Amino acid sequence: KQEVTQIPAALSVPEGENLVLNCSFTDSAIYNLQWFRQDPGKGLTSLLLIQSSQREQTSGRLNASLDKSSGRSTLYIAASQPGDSATYLCAGRRGGGADGLTFGKGTHLIIQP
Amino acid sequence: NAGVTQTPKFQVLKTGQSMTLQCAQDMNHEYMSWYRQDPGMGLRLIHYSVGAGITDQGEVPNGYNVSRSTTEDFPLRLLSAAPSQTSVYFCASKQGQGYTFGSGTRLTVV
Repeated sequence: KQEVTQIPAALSVPEGENLVLNCSFTDSAIYNLQWFRQDPGKGLTSLLLIQSSQREQTSGRLNASLDKSSGRSTLYIAASQPGDSATYLCAGRRGGGADGLTFGKGTHLIIQP
Repeated sequence: NAGVTQTPKFQVLKTGQSMTLQCAQDMNHEYMSWYRQDPGMGLRLIHYSVGAGITDQGEVPNGYNVSRSTTEDFPLRLLSAAPSQTSVYFCASKQGQGYTFGSGTRLTVV
């Protein structure tokens, strides 16, 4: 059974810093891995999706990497802004079926103005 | 607006009551799913559907029923609510690899 762990559970940094959020997974037979953002009282917004054949994906100030051999993914946020404050979730999907995503518990990120 | 619409946004039930959480999408996605989110835990899959007339169980299906009579709608039914079903429920649809989530239903069972 796939298990997804996110470290740290919470993070508070000053505005402008670059930061890294970590995600580890136990099943290397991962089909893809996604990073989501969740704002309080809201749904999830997809940020980046990395296929198992890819090493990284970039969108604006966000860069996500995937290392299947070590069971790790990272989300790099450059030049953080207060608007980046949210909970960030990573989720892995196994291939070969219609089963859903396995989520980590999330990292609660606060960017101090 | 295109996307996934969930109703109601908030609901309080008494133990033993039944209710249906509604989910509708207007993107013609074949795949739809329900998750629950509890404090200190990741989202967990309840049920999913790969198309009209087809449903299957996820990780935590007990106490919930689903049906999929149309592509657009995927309701989640609680037949006899229990306090353990207090949670935030999210509906999601998928086309290809990309998921679209609704804004959630916060359910409290007292």
